[in-house]
Amino acid sequence: SAVISQKPSRDICQRGTSLTIQCQVDSQVTMMFWYRQQPGQSLTLIATANQGSEATYESGFVIDKFPISRPNLTFSTLTVSNMSPEDSSIYLCSVAASGTQETQYFGPGTRLLVL
Amino acid sequence: GENVEQHPSTLSVQEGDSAVIKCTYSDSASNYFPWYKQELGKRPQLIIDIRSNVGEKKDQRIAVTLNKTAKHFSLHITETQPEDSAVYFCAVMNYGGSQGNLIFGKGTKLSVKP
Repeated sequence: SAVISQKPSRDICQRGTSLTIQCQVDSQVTMMFWYRQQPGQSLTLIATANQGSEATYESGFVIDKFPISRPNLTFSTLTVSNMSPEDSSIYLCSVAASGTQETQYFGPGTRLLVL
Repeated sequence: GENVEQHPSTLSVQEGDSAVIKCTYSDSASNYFPWYKQELGKRPQLIIDIRSNVGEKKDQRIAVTLNKTAKHFSLHITETQPEDSAVYFCAVMNYGGSQGNLIFGKGTKLSVKP
């Protein structure tokens, strides 16, 4: 499977600021996704990062709060804007295995704490 | 939309015993069902998956069974070992939007006591 890395691995931020998380894959992938995992909770899809077009957001997530870029088939960024303590979570990117959009592999995640 | 329920939320077994985790889903059009294992502080790892044209799939000590009529699928771990201790998530591929999305269960924390 593809090797997925994320930067930063963790961060502590002040409320009102923004943080951009990077996701890098070692091979070209069609589908990339961003998830949020709140402390002790399950995974919730934020959006699908589409290469060459705007991301597709799930219900409850908006572009102004979570802008996403996907400049090529190996890289994506998620920005958490105007942060509040409720944004404290693990943010994970995932990629779909080549040939299928269903089998997904996750990056190591970014642990965000907002004070 | 798709609704995925996972039971139990916690499970404690003795080393060597079997563990079973069950998930139910609501959308009969769903046809892909993966299971992920997440150790503390680590990323979710895909451990096994099944598609709707198959009723059972095995990989060493892990197996998944699917009952499409009843809309439930289960993870079976035999001869459990302490390193099996983790949170396990089931997921269902939902095709309700323009593209398929994984909907996750709430997770089961499995503890294997030596």
